[in-house]
Amino acid sequence: DTGVSQNPRHKITKRGQNVTFRCDPISEHNRLYWYRQTLGQGPEFLTYFQNEAQLEKSRLLSDRFSAERPKGSFSTLEIQRTEQGDSAMYLCASSPRQIQETQYFGPGTRLLVL
Amino acid sequence: KNEVEQSPQNLTAQEGEFITINCSYSVGISALHWLQQHPGGGIVSLFMLSSGKKKHGRLIATINIQEKHSSLHITASHPRDSAVYICAVNSGGSNYKLTFGKGTLLTVNP
Repeated sequence: DTGVSQNPRHKITKRGQNVTFRCDPISEHNRLYWYRQTLGQGPEFLTYFQNEAQLEKSRLLSDRFSAERPKGSFSTLEIQRTEQGDSAMYLCASSPRQIQETQYFGPGTRLLVL
Repeated sequence: KNEVEQSPQNLTAQEGEFITINCSYSVGISALHWLQQHPGGGIVSLFMLSSGKKKHGRLIATINIQEKHSSLHITASHPRDSAVYICAVNSGGSNYKLTFGKGTLLTVNP
């Protein structure tokens, strides 16, 4: 399978715990995006990377959120001290250098904070 | 007011009906996307448009840049078309991030 993969697919955690999600983009895609989708809403932009550089972060991304993309390959999104409001679907997408408007989405990680 | 507005939010149709979903946007764009999302979350790209009209099977997408409006049409709808359809735009700039509408939940009954 050469699509975008995300792990885990589902995560249930207790309030206050830390969680980390992983995204593996399509090979050689230079851009990687993280979005968050709450129930009944469209996804919202969180952050994006061009290669290993994090070039933009949304105001939605509080200090409890951190994202990395070491070596410009996979990316991780960590949420510290989770809150119930963090419950959402976290989507990752990657984009090829040649057609930068196009994004390929992973299956998402559904987070439930109890 | 959201930068990308979709209508209707919910749509129920009988199998075989012609379906139209509308999208209006208020920002300058480099491209507009129609996406399909099934229960469970996965998002699939249906169309990317910057002008005119595209057709793929029973799906047709049109865009009017001057009016900042796009439509997605489904001909001869089928229960397997039931999904959430999302309009999204690349609003220019060098980041190419997507701004999404809230989506339209389509249910096609047999």
